[in-house]
Amino acid sequence: AQSVAQPEDQVNVAEGNPLTVKCTYSVSGNPYLFWYVQYPNRGLQFLLKYITGDNLVKGSYGFEAEFNKSQTSFHLKKPSALVSDSALYFCAVRDMDSNYQLIWGAGTKLIIKP
Amino acid sequence: DAGVTQSPTHLIKTRGQQVTLRCSPISGHKSVSWYQQVLGQGPQFIFQYYEKEERGRGNFPDRFSARQFPNYSSELNVNALLLGDSALYLCASSKGQGLNEQFFGPGTRLTVL
Repeated sequence: AQSVAQPEDQVNVAEGNPLTVKCTYSVSGNPYLFWYVQYPNRGLQFLLKYITGDNLVKGSYGFEAEFNKSQTSFHLKKPSALVSDSALYFCAVRDMDSNYQLIWGAGTKLIIKP
Repeated sequence: DAGVTQSPTHLIKTRGQQVTLRCSPISGHKSVSWYQQVLGQGPQFIFQYYEKEERGRGNFPDRFSARQFPNYSSELNVNALLLGDSALYLCASSKGQGLNEQFFGPGTRLTVL
């Protein structure tokens, strides 16, 4: 079965520092991976996806993610954090065995301190 | 272009009642998916509809049902509400049912008392 794990419930970063939000996956075939962000009282917003190709994927709001097949990881990164990046971040993988539904991690709360 | 819209925003029901949640997808999107998000957890897949047909169902009881209309809008129905049904219900639309990214609405917050 496909699964996604986000090992950190919360990540704290000082404004201006680089940030990393971790995600590992387990799939039976090729992974199709996504990152979404959720701000308080708002729906989920798409950040980026990995389907195939370059291991470094660039997305919205200056975020990027690095796909590492050998480590089965898809970590979200940003070179310089902003206070406005504080939100809940979700990693998800497409379940290719079950009508392409998204299987989600539990989420990581990112707190950027001024 | 308008994004995915959901109604109502908030809803309070009592145990045993029935509820209908509504979703309008982005114009041109033919696929609608429903998710349940309990506080502190990631979304759980409930249904996917594409071209008005059910294309996927998550591990939810038969009390949960849905449909998609000719204009691609969708309704999620939950019968015989339980306290555990209290959650944020998210609707997402996409162009197709494959690898396209999904665009989410703001959600309907359902509270069951």
